This record gives sequence, structure tokens and C-alpha cells, in this order.
Amino acid sequence: DTGVSQDPRHKITKRGQNVTFRCDPISEHNRLYWYRQTLGQGPEFLTYFQNEAQLEKSRLLSDRFSAERPKGSFSTLEIQRTEQGDSAMYLCASSPWTGYNTQYFGPGTRLTVL
Amino acid sequence: DQQVKQNSPSLSVQEGRISILNCDYTNSMFDYFLWYKKYPAEGPTFLISISSIKDKNEDGRFTVFLNKSAKHLSLHIVPSQPGDSAVYFCAASSLDTQLIWGAGTKLIIKP
Repeated sequence: DTGVSQDPRHKITKRGQNVTFRCDPISEHNRLYWYRQTLGQGPEFLTYFQNEAQLEKSRLLSDRFSAERPKGSFSTLEIQRTEQGDSAMYLCASSPWTGYNTQYFGPGTRLTVL
Repeated sequence: DQQVKQNSPSLSVQEGRISILNCDYTNSMFDYFLWYKKYPAEGPTFLISISSIKDKNEDGRFTVFLNKSAKHLSLHIVPSQPGDSAVYFCAASSLDTQLIWGAGTKLIIKP
């Protein structure tokens, strides 16, 4: 029984560089979510996919952020021209397609922008 | 506007006693509620959920109570154990909408 996995676990980059994170959901789950979390806050929704279709993006999501799920399996989240304010934990979650939303999370990728 | 509020940033409880974590919400359309537990440097782990057709759901040491008229839910942990020390998040949603999260309560279990 494999859960949600994320790679890398940690990423340190310099301001202005591009970074890409990968998420592998639980295999039978149709839905995949990306969140960002900073200290003292709950997860902040960024975007989600149902299979390969990106169904919703947060209005807070800058155009420097892009996510893909090309074959409806794994997903990537890319941040272009990183800024220090992008430093956070990036979480991926997946859920089966049901009306109600129990999401299962991966371990997260900790991004530090210097 | 915070639709889901956890008003206690932290809570300290003696090992073996009951831990009670509280959560309030404002949106009357929410009808599904979840609790997650999070250790440092890990993703949240799903604990327990409740739908609005119930007022109580139990799973081992964890019980969630829902008071719809007060728009309040609580998580009870009995008995509290050292491994329960973590940050607890409540989240709420309605059918096929995104989860809305509280800011979390840090639970510290004292030996």
C-alpha cells in the first residue's frame, strides 16, 4: 500500500531560478491537489486536477506557477523566477472521486529561496 | 474572512487525560468536516471525519462531535498519549467543493 509521494523533499534555490516538484498520488485516486503551507497556517489551496484536467486554480496563484498532470497519474508543479516569498512547504494530496473530499497527503517539499 | 477558525493556537494536556480540540465555522453550507494531524516536516495525516447527518463519530481513541446549531465541532482524544503531540487541523467542505482549513492547534502532551 503506497501512499502519496513527493520529490524532492527539500529544495534550496536562489531567487530568480525555476524549480519543479513532482507528486505521485495513490494509484486509484482520480483527484490530485496542490497546496502551500507556511508556519502557523493551514494548507492554502493552489490547484487541483481530476484525471488530467485541471479543474480549479486559486485566484491567489501567480502566473509564475504552473501545474500539469499529463496522463492523469503523476503531477508536476513548476515555479518560475522564484521569489523569497515562495519559501514554504508545498503539499500534494489525492482523493478518490467521491462527492465528499477526504484527501490524503504526501510528505511535502520544503522550498527555501535564498 | 476566516470561514473555519481554531481559536486556540496551543493546548497542553497531561498524559492519560482527555484532550479536547475545538473548531468553529461560519458557512452554514458546510456539511462535511475532517480532522488532520501534522508532525513537523511531514504532510497532514487524516484522522477522522463527520458528515452533517451525524452528531458524533468515533474511531478508537478519537471522537468528533458536531453541533450544527452552534456551528462548532470538537475532537476528543482519550486517553492522550505522548505520540499525540502534533498540530491538529480541522477542515470543512460542502459537496464537491474545496476543503477550507483552520489555522491549527498545537497539542502538547505532558508526561
